[in-house]
Amino acid sequence: EDQVTQSPEALRLQEGESSSLNCSYTVSGLRGLFWYRQDPGKGPEFLFTLYSAGEEKEKERLKATLTKKESFLHITAPKPEDSATYLCAVIPGQAGTALIFGKGTTLSVSS
Amino acid sequence: KAGVTQTPRYLIKTRGQQVTLSCSPISGHRSVSWYQQTPGQGLQFLFEYFSETQRNKGNFPGRFSGRQFSNSRSEMNVSTLELGDSALYLCASSLGPGPGQGTLFGEGSWLTVV
Repeated sequence: EDQVTQSPEALRLQEGESSSLNCSYTVSGLRGLFWYRQDPGKGPEFLFTLYSAGEEKEKERLKATLTKKESFLHITAPKPEDSATYLCAVIPGQAGTALIFGKGTTLSVSS
Repeated sequence: KAGVTQTPRYLIKTRGQQVTLSCSPISGHRSVSWYQQTPGQGLQFLFEYFSETQRNKGNFPGRFSGRQFSNSRSEMNVSTLELGDSALYLCASSLGPGPGQGTLFGEGSWLTVV
């Protein structure tokens, strides 16, 4: 069964304290891995798409990496405005067009 | 550029009733997907429409249905509502079938079933 697991469920950081969020996946083939950010009461906001192992993408303080079994979202010197739930999703090779989401990591950054 | 518009934003229904939610995608986007988000299950895929055709369907009962119109607007319907249907229903639009870098989500419709 295709599955996405994110850890930790919740993470509290001090402003400037870098860390990483993990997304491990078990899928029958991988057509793409997606990272989204979701603020309370809002829809998910697209961050990155990764397609193959070894690929990396960066945006401001965020950097996403991909291996054959997992992806990491590295947050460098986070700020309070980075507080949100970060969602990882995959589109398996044989699941048509559906995204399979993990349950997310809720990040809180305090000043 | 207008975003993905979902209406209504909030609604309360009674068990046994039915509900229709609407989604207007980004101008030019022809694919619309629907997801249900609950605290316990997270985001779960409901279905996807592209050019008025359902391309994929998630593991939900037949009470959940949808359709897409020629202008790409989409509606989803839930009949015989149950308490467990209380959730945030999210619509996502993209240019072509399947998610990609251009996939954008709406703000969602909050459904409470009492």
